[in-house]
Amino acid sequence: DTEVTQTPKHLVMGMTNKKSLKCEQHMGHRAMYWYKQKAKKPPELMFVYSYEKLSINESVPSRFSPECPNSSLLNLHLHALQPEDSALYLCASSQTSRRVGQPQHFGDGTRLSIL
Amino acid sequence: AQSVTQLDSQVPVFEEAPVELRCNYSSSVSVYLFWYVQYPNQGLQLLLKYLSGSTLVKGINGFEAEFNKSQTSFHLRKPSVHISDTAEYFCAVSLANQAGTALIFGKGTTLSVSS
Repeated sequence: DTEVTQTPKHLVMGMTNKKSLKCEQHMGHRAMYWYKQKAKKPPELMFVYSYEKLSINESVPSRFSPECPNSSLLNLHLHALQPEDSALYLCASSQTSRRVGQPQHFGDGTRLSIL
Repeated sequence: AQSVTQLDSQVPVFEEAPVELRCNYSSSVSVYLFWYVQYPNQGLQLLLKYLSGSTLVKGINGFEAEFNKSQTSFHLRKPSVHISDTAEYFCAVSLANQAGTALIFGKGTTLSVSS
């Protein structure tokens, strides 16, 4: 069983919809991450939160809006997405992002399809 | 800049045969390396990590990897594979910058085990 829980597992939305992806971890980790993964490709980093503050934004379009309400929760708000945004969205956490060598723990992802 | 290169995009192998998945890294500083596995419709699971110390690292599910500084390699091995080992395998390096740390993934190797 994964220690990082993502909901929903699947999401189909139109280009004008607003939806949110949720991620939760109870390992006491202080760093949380969003990745985007296209089929047959490695995960691509989108955002990093460290101690509930956004520390890395990899030039992600503003139609993706992350939020970290507390140290256990991470949301990704979606609005006006494009068909090319269809992908598997993975959440991960680690003890900290301030020290190299920290392994990340991944959820099972949300498979997003944009109609 | 730090990066990893996975030398094989696909590795087909018969059940109970040994397997080696190759990964080379480039780094001018201390390096921290990981192998992750991704089963179909799941997130990434940490197989093993090299942070320092012994160059032979043992992981879960009978996998091991050897850190070779002179050859800048971190190849993953298993002496006898099972059908259930069929999955995508990613080599990754931990990268630090001013904003924090992140994982940089290789392009992945698809391991296909057949009977």
